[in-house]
Amino acid sequence: QSALTQPASVSGSPGQSITISCTGTSSDIGVYNYVSWYQQRPGKAPKLIISDVSNRPSGVSNRFSGSKSGNTASLTISGLQAEDEADYYCNSYTSRNTWVFGGGTKLTVL
Amino acid sequence: EVQLVESGGGLVQPGGSLRLSCAASGFSFSGNWMHWVRQVPGKGLVWVSCINIDGSVTRYADSVKGRFTISRDNAKNTLYLQMNSLGAEDTAVYYCAGASSMAFDPWGQGTLVTVSS
Repeated sequence: QSALTQPASVSGSPGQSITISCTGTSSDIGVYNYVSWYQQRPGKAPKLIISDVSNRPSGVSNRFSGSKSGNTASLTISGLQAEDEADYYCNSYTSRNTWVFGGGTKLTVL
Repeated sequence: EVQLVESGGGLVQPGGSLRLSCAASGFSFSGNWMHWVRQVPGKGLVWVSCINIDGSVTRYADSVKGRFTISRDNAKNTLYLQMNSLGAEDTAVYYCAGASSMAFDPWGQGTLVTVSS
């Protein structure tokens, strides 16, 4: 199972919005609404920020939103803040009854 | 407070074995599927394995199938990962995570496994 495809890095200025894409196939993102997103700060464990494509767990800022179109999922962060600087990973359930992560995207807040 | 605490990591020689544990507290361990995810330092997350609530269903990534075995003891609120025939490519931080729907939440802090002679 190949990893989902994410851009290696994205950047934005405080207050701006950024979008991170996550491209899979018709065997994962394209067929299941089981896309999740994780934020990982340096030296820390990942934290769930979006589940089931667009559901935000309790306690996660509403500045984070998720969507999906075809084989591509997207994470949008609006009103960018310095604390959002981190690595972001997408994940999807697959038709092989396994899970697959994206390669990760490093977000830099300028 | 929800806590998942991994242990059992360390230095092991190529071809060796190691058993990781993940102790759960403040979390409905026996009612949740559980996962292991690994991360080579500085690299991305990789899903490794999962187990259903009573241990009757297990799944593995192709890279560890036949070498790793996931298990659980619901009486002890503990998840395990038995790792055999370890190679340098297995060097990583190993995280345990609970299943929240089809996502991973909560996460432990991770335990480092280093395979080296």
